Amino acid sequence: GQNIDQPTEMTATEGAIVQINCTYQTSGFNGLFWYQQHAGEAPTFLSYNVLDGLEEKGRFSSFLSRSKGYSYLLLKELQMKDSASYLCAVLDSNYQLIWGAGTKLIIKP
Amino acid sequence: DGGITQSPKYLFRKEGQNVTLSCEQNLNHDAMYWYRQDPGQGLRLIYYSQIVNDFQKGDIAEGYSVSREKKESFPLTVTSAQKNPTAFYLCATTGGDVHEQYFGPGTRLTVT
Repeated sequence: GQNIDQPTEMTATEGAIVQINCTYQTSGFNGLFWYQQHAGEAPTFLSYNVLDGLEEKGRFSSFLSRSKGYSYLLLKELQMKDSASYLCAVLDSNYQLIWGAGTKLIIKP
Repeated sequence: DGGITQSPKYLFRKEGQNVTLSCEQNLNHDAMYWYRQDPGQGLRLIYYSQIVNDFQKGDIAEGYSVSREKKESFPLTVTSAQKNPTAFYLCATTGGDVHEQYFGPGTRLTVT
């Protein structure tokens, strides 16, 4: 079956750096997405990786290793507003999105 | 202002009643999706539509029905056959440079 694993919850300190990991086993691979979802709201698109390596976008970076079925989202200079759930999703061979359960990130002052 | 609207934000129904959730988009996107999200879980696909007058079942279509008569609209009906309908329902379209999904604000349905 298809599976995406992320830690359920992580805690970090304001101003610090945090890395949220995602491992996947899917039937085919056509890209990996990271979304941010604040409590009670809809997910918003953060990043997309389809080739191995690091994509940087401001304070957020996303890394992909296709051979390892692994990605991470790196958040730098954490701010209180970064408290949210972070969802990893993989586009499979049928171009359907398979979603992880999300990682709830708690930022402490 | 382009976007996706879902209404209402909160919806309460009695068990045994059908209820229709609205989703409208003015992004001119062809593909539209309905997801269900339960606490602590990822998004699960209910139905999707790639084009007007055509739609496909997702992973958890039982107890739900949809229609796609217009490009802009993709309403979801939660029928009384859905055993556990209380959830957060999200509508999405696909677009952008990497075909990312855009989401509406969601409807939180409570059935008692």
